[in-house]
Amino acid sequence: GQSLEQPSEVTAVEGAIVQINCTYQTSGFYGLSWYQQHDGGAPTFLSYNALDGLEETGRFSSFLSRSDSYGYLLLQELQMKDSASYFCAVRNYGQNFVFGPGTRLSVLP
Amino acid sequence: EAQVTQNPRYLITVTGKKLTVTCSQNMNHEYMSWYRQDPGLGLRQIYYSMNVEVTDKGDVPEGYKVSRKEKRNFPLILESPSPNQTSLYFCASSKGQGLQPQHFGDGTRLSIL
Repeated sequence: GQSLEQPSEVTAVEGAIVQINCTYQTSGFYGLSWYQQHDGGAPTFLSYNALDGLEETGRFSSFLSRSDSYGYLLLQELQMKDSASYFCAVRNYGQNFVFGPGTRLSVLP
Repeated sequence: EAQVTQNPRYLITVTGKKLTVTCSQNMNHEYMSWYRQDPGLGLRQIYYSMNVEVTDKGDVPEGYKVSRKEKRNFPLILESPSPNQTSLYFCASSKGQGLQPQHFGDGTRLSIL
């Protein structure tokens, strides 16, 4: 079946750079998306990669390699407010979405 | 303001008592979806709808029903709730195709006793 894997937790300090990886087992999908969710809140969209390569949006960048079934979210200049859970997701050509289990990022002062 | 509105936000009920969680969006989005979120499992799609009168099963549809009679509304129906449906539920909407960002509602926390 389709599945996505992410590390369950990542910890980093303010100002640092952190990379959250996502590996997947699926085929025939539009691309990889990333969502952020703060405790008690709703997921919010961060970025997506329809094509292989790097997409940059401010402090956040996302990368996709279809040949390696792998992607990542890169967060630079970490701030305390970046402490949240991050989810990768694919939208299949069948139009359904599959999300990863999420990575909890803790940013320490 | 563009938004997805779910109601209720919290509900405690008992096994077997039918309930409906409403979802409405004001962005004229074609695609709407329901997810449940459980610790360690991420978001799992229950049902989705590409447009009015078009619905499809996601990964975990058992025990749930949906309908899409109007573009803006996508209610989730639990005909006979059971304790294993205790979860946090999110409704989301997006434009029709591809990797359009999904906009999520604030969530509904259901407890089935």
